[in-house]
Amino acid sequence: GDSVTQMEGPVTLSEEAFLTINCTYTATGYPSLFWYVQYPGEGLQLLLKATKADDKGSNKGFEATYRKETTSFHLEKGSVQVSDSAVYFCALLIIQGAQKLVFGQGTRLTINP
Amino acid sequence: KAGVTQTPRYLIKTRGQQVTLSCSPISGHRSVSWYQQTPGQGLQFLFEYFSETQRNKGNFPGRFSGRQFSNSRSEMNVSTLELGDSALYLCASSSSSFTAYEQYFGPGTRLTVT
Repeated sequence: GDSVTQMEGPVTLSEEAFLTINCTYTATGYPSLFWYVQYPGEGLQLLLKATKADDKGSNKGFEATYRKETTSFHLEKGSVQVSDSAVYFCALLIIQGAQKLVFGQGTRLTINP
Repeated sequence: KAGVTQTPRYLIKTRGQQVTLSCSPISGHRSVSWYQQTPGQGLQFLFEYFSETQRNKGNFPGRFSGRQFSNSRSEMNVSTLELGDSALYLCASSSSSFTAYEQYFGPGTRLTVT
């Protein structure tokens, strides 16, 4: 079935470090891919998306490229800030007469000053 | 535009009771989905409603049900609560156009079953 696998956390970095959070997926068809972020005590916020192969989603310095050949959608940021500390979820959207998001397990990111 | 709102934000219930959670989608959005978030199982899809019809349902027992009203507001109900139902319940809304299938989430309702 459809599934998403994220790199295990937690991930701890220093401010201004380079960030990569790996995400791979298994899906039939051509799903849209998303990264969501969850801050403590809050719901999920859409961070970025890509709807087809080779699309690059970007927002707030974060980027991810939809790689069909490697079934991956890795999240990257060149210089992280303390305010980026949160849990990040990779997800794919299945549309089969209805919408359904399938999420990875989440990666907790902590940025130290 | 106002975001997705969920009420109540926090609930404490006893085993065997039932609970109803409410979700108001973003204005103009016709699709409402519900997800359960727990530390052990992560984020799991419960069901999706569009124009008052349930279009998809996740792998949850029949104790979990929902409905959608003509104004797109949605409720989910859990009957005969069990300890394992303690979770953050998230509602998400989406518009119906193909190019805008992003789902926007509310802050969630944290349910604690004792």
